[in-house]
Amino acid sequence: AQSVTQLDSQVPVFEEAPVELRCNYSSSVSVYLFWYVQYPNQGLQLLLKYLSGSTLVKGINGFEAEFNKSQTSFHLRKPSVHISDTAEYFCAVSYLTGNQFYFGTGTSLTVIP
Amino acid sequence: ETGVTQTPRHLVMGMTNKKSLKCEQHLGHNAMYWYKQSAKKPLELMFVYNFKEQTENNSVPSRFSPECPNSSHLFLHLHTLQPEDSALYLCASSEDPGQGNYGYTFGSGTRLTVV
Repeated sequence: AQSVTQLDSQVPVFEEAPVELRCNYSSSVSVYLFWYVQYPNQGLQLLLKYLSGSTLVKGINGFEAEFNKSQTSFHLRKPSVHISDTAEYFCAVSYLTGNQFYFGTGTSLTVIP
Repeated sequence: ETGVTQTPRHLVMGMTNKKSLKCEQHLGHNAMYWYKQSAKKPLELMFVYNFKEQTENNSVPSRFSPECPNSSHLFLHLHTLQPEDSALYLCASSEDPGQGNYGYTFGSGTRLTVV
């Protein structure tokens, strides 16, 4: 069975502070890993993805994520957040074959001025 | 615009109404999806179409009826909905339906309210 756990439903952080949004997954086979962002009243936008190779993946808007196979984690980080980063963030996994994604419940990031 | 266009953006309908949601993509993608997004719940996959053929129906009630006339268009026909069907309905597309390494491109969604 496939599952994705986002440990924090809400994360408040002050502007220019660092942030980490946590994601853990469970799978008996290899998977691809993704982070999506959803701004208010919009659809989901791909931030970054891990397919293979280097475990540190850089995405748009200064975000990066690190794949840790032993801990089955794919945490999202940004060293200094902006007000515009306020949004909902979703972690997702997919199998190497097939096109179904499994999403977490999301983490609401609020950047405080 | 993200490349996937959904209309309408907002829809309010009564439980006896019939309405349709529309999704359109001109990205050359071969797979299209309907997802339901409710508050505090994971995104729920509803339907998958690969090369215009429906390949997945995740136990969705028959009051939701999808239609995919071609690879660029996807509809979700609604009839006799319930208040608990109120949610954000998201359409997505992807390049290759057989490989999981392609991310989805999402539309902005239709905010549906059933009264």
